[in-house]
Formats: sequence, C-alpha cells, structure tokens
Amino acid sequence: DVKVTQSSRYLVKRTGEKVFLECVQDMDHENMFWYRQDPGLGLRLIYFSYDVKMKEKGDIPEGYSVSREKKERFSLILESASTNQTSMYLCASTDNYRPGNTIYFGEGSWLTVV
Amino acid sequence: AQSVTQLDSQVPVFEEAPVELRCNYSSSVSVYLFWYVQYPNQGLQLLLKYLSGSTLVKGINGFEAEFNKSQTSFHLRKPSVHISDTAEYFCAVSVDQTGANNLFFGTGTRLTVIP
Repeated sequence: DVKVTQSSRYLVKRTGEKVFLECVQDMDHENMFWYRQDPGLGLRLIYFSYDVKMKEKGDIPEGYSVSREKKERFSLILESASTNQTSMYLCASTDNYRPGNTIYFGEGSWLTVV
Repeated sequence: AQSVTQLDSQVPVFEEAPVELRCNYSSSVSVYLFWYVQYPNQGLQLLLKYLSGSTLVKGINGFEAEFNKSQTSFHLRKPSVHISDTAEYFCAVSVDQTGANNLFFGTGTRLTVIP
C-alpha cells in the first residue's frame, strides 16, 4: 500500500512564525503535491514537484514555498505565517503524472495561525 | 477551462436509504473522472474512477457512479447507506493538458447518515 505521511497532524503557530510542513512518501513516486483544503472551496493546489529540486506553482502559491531535496520528501514552507493561512494542508503523490492516474493523499495537517 | 460543480454542499440521509451525490463538469477536452472520500480527520482516498469503457463504474464500499457524456455528469450513488458512510465526498476531473495542474476538484459534498 502507498503511504503518504504528514508528520504534523495539528499545529498552532503565531503570526509571523516560519512554519514547515513535512511530507514523506514510501512508494518512490516522482510527483508530489501540496494542497490546501478550506470549507466550500474544495482542494486548491499550492505547489507541485515532478522531480527532486523541481517545482511548479499551482493555483495559490502566494505566501508559500516548497523544498524537495530528496525524492521521498516534499516540504511546504510558510515564510511568515498569517491568520489567513489557517487551514488544512494535504500532501499527495503519484508515480506518473498522467491524466487518469490515482493520486494518493496523506492524512492532512491542520494548521492554526493565531 | 475546466471546472467541477458539486451542486449539494450537504446531503443528510437516513440509514439504509439510497443516496445520490451529484457532480457536473465542464471541459473542452476528454476527461477522466474520480470520486474521492474523506472520512473525519483523515486525508482523501479514492472511491472510484472512470477512464474509458463502460460508463457505469463500481467502487469500494458499495458505491457506483455513471458517466454521462451528453449531460457532462458523473453522479455517485449507493442503494443503501450506512452510518460509516458519513464523510465528505469530492468529485474530480483530470484532463490531458500540459502544466502543473491537470486535476480539478469540486467543492465537496458532506454526506451525513442519520440513524
């Protein structure tokens, strides 16, 4: 079974703090994603990585950056957290990013910025 | 441009009753269609998907969905729901295009099964 692990399930951070959300997948997938989930808005893609050290912006990259130094690990970084970044963050991965391929999700990280 | 519309944000239904969760999409190119389920405090997991072939797709936990190209719909159905089906359900569309994002999600439908 594919496993996508998000190490932090629940975080509370202060405005202005730097926040790291870590994600690890164990299936040697090339492609990894960070989504943000908000009520009534569904899932919105923040960043996407198709290889080590490669990244592409998704629909809402502002205020976020990412890091992919190793194939299995994809980190989401909030350089200076703000209250409007309070949300559920979902990491996902897939082996071959073709239309129709299943994407596998982690359990999510709930971030509250106060 | 692609979009996915889930018309119902919340659907309450009594246990053992049938349910239909509606999904419509718009796309100018061929699509692949998915339903994902998210149980409370968990990530999303694939329920079923349509790639080609038979328009009736069967998934896990007794769910099925029918692809209707003329109506651009992919509604999810279950003939008899259980308490354990209480979750949020997301319809998604994947299209064959270059770029970072070729997967588009609807806004979700929260299914609540009432005992």
